Amino acid sequence: QVQLVQSGAEVKKPGSSVKVSCKASGGTFTSFAISWVRQAPGQGLEWMGGIIPMFGTPNYAQKFHGRVTITADRSTRTAYMELSSLRSEDTAVYYCATSVYCGGDCFSRWFDPWGQGTLVTVSS
Amino acid sequence: DFVMTQSPDSLTLSLGERATINCKSSQSVLYNSNNKNYLAWYQQKPGQPPKLLIYWASTREPGVPDRFSGSGSGTDFTLTISSLQAEDVAVYFCQQYFNTPLTFGGGTKVEIK
Repeated sequence: QVQLVQSGAEVKKPGSSVKVSCKASGGTFTSFAISWVRQAPGQGLEWMGGIIPMFGTPNYAQKFHGRVTITADRSTRTAYMELSSLRSEDTAVYYCATSVYCGGDCFSRWFDPWGQGTLVTVSS
Repeated sequence: DFVMTQSPDSLTLSLGERATINCKSSQSVLYNSNNKNYLAWYQQKPGQPPKLLIYWASTREPGVPDRFSGSGSGTDFTLTISSLQAEDVAVYFCQQYFNTPLTFGGGTKVEIK
C-alpha cells in the first residue's frame, strides 16, 4: 500500500515561490499518477494538476497554468509542486494524492491515498 | 470544466437517522463505452486529509462501513448514510474524474443534533 509523506509547513512572502515535496513509500512509483489538490481555510478542494512519474509529463489545471510546476523524481520516489508569484489567496493546505494509473496521459481515477497535507501561509 | 454542485451545504441529524447528500454534475460523467460513472465520494474530518469512501459512483472502498452507499447515474448522484453514527461527523465531497480538470463539489457538513 502506498503511503505519502509531505514536507513541512511554510510561511512565504507575497511574490515569492514555494516548493512542496511528497515522498512515496510502498507500491510501484511508476504505476500511479500523482496529483496536487489544495484547500483554502474552511473551503473546498481544488485540483491544481498532476504528473505520471512513468512519463514525467505534467497536466495542469488552466487556472494555475504558468504559476505551477509539478515534477517527479523516480530515483527518490518524490513528487514536487512549486507555486510561484504567491499571493495571500494561495494560503491553503496543499495535498498530494495518488490515483491508479489508467494508461497514456489518463488522470481519470479517484484519489487514494492522500498525503497528510502541507500548510502554506502567504503573508507579508 | 465540470461543475459539481452539492446539496445541502449542511445537515444536522440525530444518531441513527438517515443522511442523504446530493451531487449534481454540469455534464454527464457516464462513459458510454464501459457504462461507468466517473464519480467518487470522500469523507474529511477536521485536520485530516480526505478519505475515499466510494468510487465508480457506487463501489464502496474496502473497509468502509456498509451504512455508506452511493447511487445515481449521468449527472445526479447521492451519498446515503443509512444510520448516522457519531464518528460520521465530517464534511463529505463528491468528485468527478471523467475529465481534467478534476473537480470537486463544495462539500456537505454533517453534524449530530
